[in-house]
Amino acid sequence: LAKTTQPISMDSYEGQEVNITCSHNNIATNDYITWYQQFPSQGPRFIIQGYKTKVTNEVASLFIPADRKSSTLSLPRVSLSDTAVYYCLVGDISAGGNNDMRFGAGTRLTVKP
Amino acid sequence: GAGVSQSPRYKVAKRGQDVALRCDPISGHVSLFWYQQALGQGPEFLTYFQNEAQLDKSGLPSDRFFAERPEGSVSTLKIQRTQQEDSAVYLCASSLRRGGVGDTQYFGPGTRLTVL
Repeated sequence: LAKTTQPISMDSYEGQEVNITCSHNNIATNDYITWYQQFPSQGPRFIIQGYKTKVTNEVASLFIPADRKSSTLSLPRVSLSDTAVYYCLVGDISAGGNNDMRFGAGTRLTVKP
Repeated sequence: GAGVSQSPRYKVAKRGQDVALRCDPISGHVSLFWYQQALGQGPEFLTYFQNEAQLDKSGLPSDRFFAERPEGSVSTLKIQRTQQEDSAVYLCASSLRRGGVGDTQYFGPGTRLTVL
């Protein structure tokens, strides 16, 4: 299983762009990169998934370099409501069950006014 | 439509009591997962069902933990003879197909269990 490393915490201010980087040096060919977001007193919520290059949706962008040994979640113009814990998961998209759903401690993002 | 619901949201138990935590997954979702989340940590896998079949229970910490999903929809996580170290948030998630990172999991709000 690919192991991921993320910063434990980050601070930002409203209106700024936030980039959270996840390292996954042992990523396998069939592995995808998935990010979940967890607000206080809620369960995690899927935000984005990608394999290579760049993926963008209405919430975030995910940048993956050619060697895929890291990935960066980018949140544009954050607001106070983006304060949450962000988890990076890496695993085989074709594997079912619990395979590769390893959340780790995540990155605690605090957005300040 | 309705998301994943869990009840109760909060449960306080005295050490040694049995507790039962309920999960109502999204209708039609095949897979159901239970996780345990300690304060300041990410969710840790407990067990996984595909329909009514419990395919993986490798994360259950002891034989005091038991889960069932008899009709392939609602699931119950039961903890017998609760201990203080069982205090945590218990999260339930469901997914449309057979789980894994390629099958988005939808989480409930969790049940916060406090064992005194």
